[in-house]
Amino acid sequence: GAVVSQHPSRVICKSGTSVKIECRSLDFQATTMFWYRQFPKQSLMLMATSNEGSKATYEQGVEKDKFLINHASLTLSTLTVTSAHPEDSSFYICSASRGAFYGYTFGSGTRLTVV
Amino acid sequence: DAKTTQPNSMESNEEEPVHLPCNHSTISGTDYIHWYRQLPSQGPEYVIHGLTSNVNNRMASLAIAEDRKSSTLILHRATLRDAAVYYCILRGGAGGTSYGKLTFGQGTILTVHP
Repeated sequence: GAVVSQHPSRVICKSGTSVKIECRSLDFQATTMFWYRQFPKQSLMLMATSNEGSKATYEQGVEKDKFLINHASLTLSTLTVTSAHPEDSSFYICSASRGAFYGYTFGSGTRLTVV
Repeated sequence: DAKTTQPNSMESNEEEPVHLPCNHSTISGTDYIHWYRQLPSQGPEYVIHGLTSNVNNRMASLAIAEDRKSSTLILHRATLRDAAVYYCILRGGAGGTSYGKLTFGQGTILTVHP
């Protein structure tokens, strides 16, 4: 149980375009999901907390207008990277938990390359 | 956010036990201790978590110091598939501004030799 599906696994886009990444909890409902970014040879950095039915909470230094998060249902959160630039190229990962007493399940990640 | 300190790297031989240490001296009473591991180009994988008592599951054991300022992840018999980056993380407890969040440190790179 506790499966999180992330799609796409890999995407290449042109500079200036937008890219949407989906994160789905397949066998549980997640009122909260988290989005991370990971640069090569670095650790994961929390970008934002996605809350079902309300606005996302962004970490300090993360541009909310550039990284749009929508959590429209209890099983789906999306991250849209708007007007992407080469410096946005990174590994994006989402996670969710079944509840306070459980561990977190992570998606398999999305490798974004902006050319 | 409460932080953790782990060795940058550790090595082990296959079939031998591995003890991965973690220090978290600023842990608060409601923080859970979580462990995850990550293979290259994959999302992290949950390993184990606990609050005060030692925990066992099919993957590993978690030994938590009595004062909760340190913990040790124990892999009983390392295999080549256990080679990964292991992260020890404090999950923010209820009532705090970091409730539910996981803040990743640099982790420990575990190398397993055949």
